[in-house]
Amino acid sequence: DVKVTQSSRYLVKRTGEKVFLECVQDMDHENMFWYRQDPGLGLRLIYFSYDVKMKEKGDIPEGYSVSREKKERFSLILESASTNQTSMYLCASSLTLRGAGEKLFFGSGTQLSVL
Amino acid sequence: SQKIEQNSEALNIQEGKTATLTCNYTNYSPAYLQWYRQDPGRGPVFLLLIRENEKEKRKERLKVTFDTTLKQSLFHITASQPADSATYLCALRGGSYIPTFGRGTSLIVHP
Repeated sequence: DVKVTQSSRYLVKRTGEKVFLECVQDMDHENMFWYRQDPGLGLRLIYFSYDVKMKEKGDIPEGYSVSREKKERFSLILESASTNQTSMYLCASSLTLRGAGEKLFFGSGTQLSVL
Repeated sequence: SQKIEQNSEALNIQEGKTATLTCNYTNYSPAYLQWYRQDPGRGPVFLLLIRENEKEKRKERLKVTFDTTLKQSLFHITASQPADSATYLCALRGGSYIPTFGRGTSLIVHP
């Protein structure tokens, strides 16, 4: 089975800190995604990447950036963390966006608290 | 604007009964629709995918229907068990190729 691993389950950071959330998948998937999930708002797409060094903005990219230097790794960066970025962050991957492999495989999530 | 609607109220049912969850959408012409299960503090797990030209899909105790005229999918769990208690998310893929998720419905199965 595909494994998507997020580096931290819980993270506490201070306002203004630079925060890195790391995600690694082990099945050579083309696509990787970062979502945040907040109560009552559901899953919202921050960024996705369809290839190494390629990225596309999702619905809520403001305050975030991403990096994909290797196919298996997709990093989410909060340049200057703010309290409204306190959330559950979920990384996902998929084999392809077309054809039979559309299902997403999610990591366990990182609960980030910004104080 | 595009919308995916799932019941925000939790669905409470007795063990052994059939649970039915609803996913309605507007302003989409989805190529497919997916259902995921999410347990507290965990990431969603894929359950089933149904394509626009399929009316029904089954997997063990799970059944999904897809009515593109009504713009609705129904997700059924037969012979429900307390272990089925979780939040269930539907996701649609439209022309952008990226699945968009509904907010999910919480299912609570009472012993």
